[in-house]
Amino acid sequence: AQKITQTQPGMFVQEKEAVTLDCTYDTSDQSYGLFWYKQPSSGEMIFLIYQGSYDEQNATEGRYSLNFQKARKSANLVISASQLGDSAMYFCAMRENDYKLSFGAGTTVTVRA
Amino acid sequence: AAGVIQSPRHLIKEKRETATLKCYPIPRHDTVYWYQQGPGQDPQFLISFYEKMQSDKGSIPDRFSAQQFSDYHSELNMSSLELGDSALYFCASSAGLAGAVVNNEQFFGPGTRLTVL
Repeated sequence: AQKITQTQPGMFVQEKEAVTLDCTYDTSDQSYGLFWYKQPSSGEMIFLIYQGSYDEQNATEGRYSLNFQKARKSANLVISASQLGDSAMYFCAMRENDYKLSFGAGTTVTVRA
Repeated sequence: AAGVIQSPRHLIKEKRETATLKCYPIPRHDTVYWYQQGPGQDPQFLISFYEKMQSDKGSIPDRFSAQQFSDYHSELNMSSLELGDSALYFCASSAGLAGAVVNNEQFFGPGTRLTVL
């Protein structure tokens, strides 16, 4: 069964607007972590933000925030004030008790000027 | 700050050849993870090492082997290469298995792009 589901293959967003990338997950572990990574066309995997399963507050890192809804098993990424440099593939990933990361299929974001 | 180093960055091989990918973790990181990302796909976990011992194994073909050395660098050896092995291979490191939890992060290297012709 797919552990991470990203239902949006691609999204367009206007520069300076906000965009929300969906991520739902499936786990029976009580302790787990959720990550978002950015992968530009150059290929590197850039860590953006992390949310722990026991964290009560939503994580924020600059223009990135994570909308964590534990009961719904969702961990959506919100990018505020989009910039042209935000155009990339975005992966949601989960770490369970076995420590390795399981990734979703990714969402391609294209920021329009 | 020092990051994860992977070499080579690009590699072109013929079918049935062998390839060795190297990963140098961030200093004082003792845990290494290998991931394979095929074209247009999400990264898939291959194998991990903690303190030079294999800690977990994923969808790694029997033609592949890996190890972690005393200086914590790791090598992924790939034999009898197939066209389907063409992918971006990432190495990530963390400060211990517990560190992967406490520090909440696996630091990824830039990847090695392997092309099998």
